[in-house]
Amino acid sequence: AQKVTQAQTEISVVEKEDVTLDCVYETRDTTYYLFWYKQPPSGELVFLIRRNSFDEQNEISGRYSWNFQKSTSSFNFTITASQVVDSAVYFCALSEATNFNKFYFGSGTKLNVKP
Amino acid sequence: DVKVTQSSRYLVKRTGEKVFLECVQDMDHENMFWYRQDPGLGLRLIYFSYDVKMKEKGDIPEGYSVSREKKERFSLILESASTNQTSMYLCASSLPEDNEQFFGPGTRLTVL
Repeated sequence: AQKVTQAQTEISVVEKEDVTLDCVYETRDTTYYLFWYKQPPSGELVFLIRRNSFDEQNEISGRYSWNFQKSTSSFNFTITASQVVDSAVYFCALSEATNFNKFYFGSGTKLNVKP
Repeated sequence: DVKVTQSSRYLVKRTGEKVFLECVQDMDHENMFWYRQDPGLGLRLIYFSYDVKMKEKGDIPEGYSVSREKKERFSLILESASTNQTSMYLCASSLPEDNEQFFGPGTRLTVL
């Protein structure tokens, strides 16, 4: 069974639109970590955020915000006022405390921001 | 800043060739990882090393081996490349007590 599901394969928006990337996860561990990475066309995955399972506070960093809801096993990522530079593939990942260094990645969501 | 480098950005090899993909990190990280990335499948772990000469199989180790002779270097070896190993290969590293992984730029391998 897929531990991390990113149902949106590809999303296209026009610059300045807000966009939300969905991530649903599955785990039996009570302690786990959730991540978002950005992969621009250059290829290198860039770390965006890590949350642990005990911290359900939403996070905001500039135009980026994350909504962590344990009740729905979701960790969604919103970009406000999107820009062309936000065009990339975004990956959500899960790490469980029982195997701390093993990541389960979602299949990724490709975001196209058009001018 | 952590720097993870990979020896080639693009590589073209023939079926049956032995292929070496090299990864070097400069932050003294104990953990190093090799992933392959395929459309619709995300990143899948091939092998993981938590120390010099130590390795563990990931989810898809078949057809691959690894070598970690020095702490900073982790090599992925395709003993006899096949067309189904055409993919993007990503290397990553991390500290054992911190599971944030730092990634290299990737090697896009094409096997003809």
